Amino acid sequence: DVKVTQSSRYLVKRTGEKVFLECVQDMDHENMFWYRQDPGLGLRLIYFSYDVKMKEKGDIPEGYSVSREKKERFSLILESASTNQTSMYLCASSSPGTSGSYEQYFGPGTRLTVT
Amino acid sequence: AQTVTQSQPEMSVQEAETVTLSCTYDTSENNYYLFWYKQPPSRQMILVIRQEAYKQQNATENRFSVNFQKAAKSFSLKISDSQLGDTAMYFCAFMTENTGNQFYFGTGTSLTVIP
Repeated sequence: DVKVTQSSRYLVKRTGEKVFLECVQDMDHENMFWYRQDPGLGLRLIYFSYDVKMKEKGDIPEGYSVSREKKERFSLILESASTNQTSMYLCASSSPGTSGSYEQYFGPGTRLTVT
Repeated sequence: AQTVTQSQPEMSVQEAETVTLSCTYDTSENNYYLFWYKQPPSRQMILVIRQEAYKQQNATENRFSVNFQKAAKSFSLKISDSQLGDTAMYFCAFMTENTGNQFYFGTGTSLTVIP
């Protein structure tokens, strides 16, 4: 089974702090994604990555950056956390593979509160 | 631009009854994939069912089936014999290879199964 893990389930940070959210997948997937999930807004894509050291902006990249130094790990960085970044953050990975399913596998999420 | 609309923020159904969740999407692409994901309370998001646009036959997975109307750009999910464990947020998602495997999610439908 594909496993996507995230470093923390709950995180509380102060305004202005630099925040790192880590995501690791164990299935050698090429694609990895970071979303934020807010009530009534669904999932919005922040950044995604096709391969090591590759990154692409999603729909809401402002205030965030990412790092992918190894294939299995994709980090989301909040350079200077603000209260409007309080949210649930979901990581996902996928690989077309031979089946071409494109299914995204999700981590358990990190609920970040910025005070 | 690709958009996905779920017009039912909340729904409820009696245990053992059938319920249908609606989803519409907008795209100019001809080849794409559609998904329904389930997010139980405080649990991980998992794939329920997927449909390839080039397939005319509606996908089914046990009690879950879809009604895919390509011309109408509609992709509804039918849950038969509803069970308490079906209580969850359900997200409709759209993907096309031309946008780099990026998923576009709807805003979700919160389904409650009533005993």
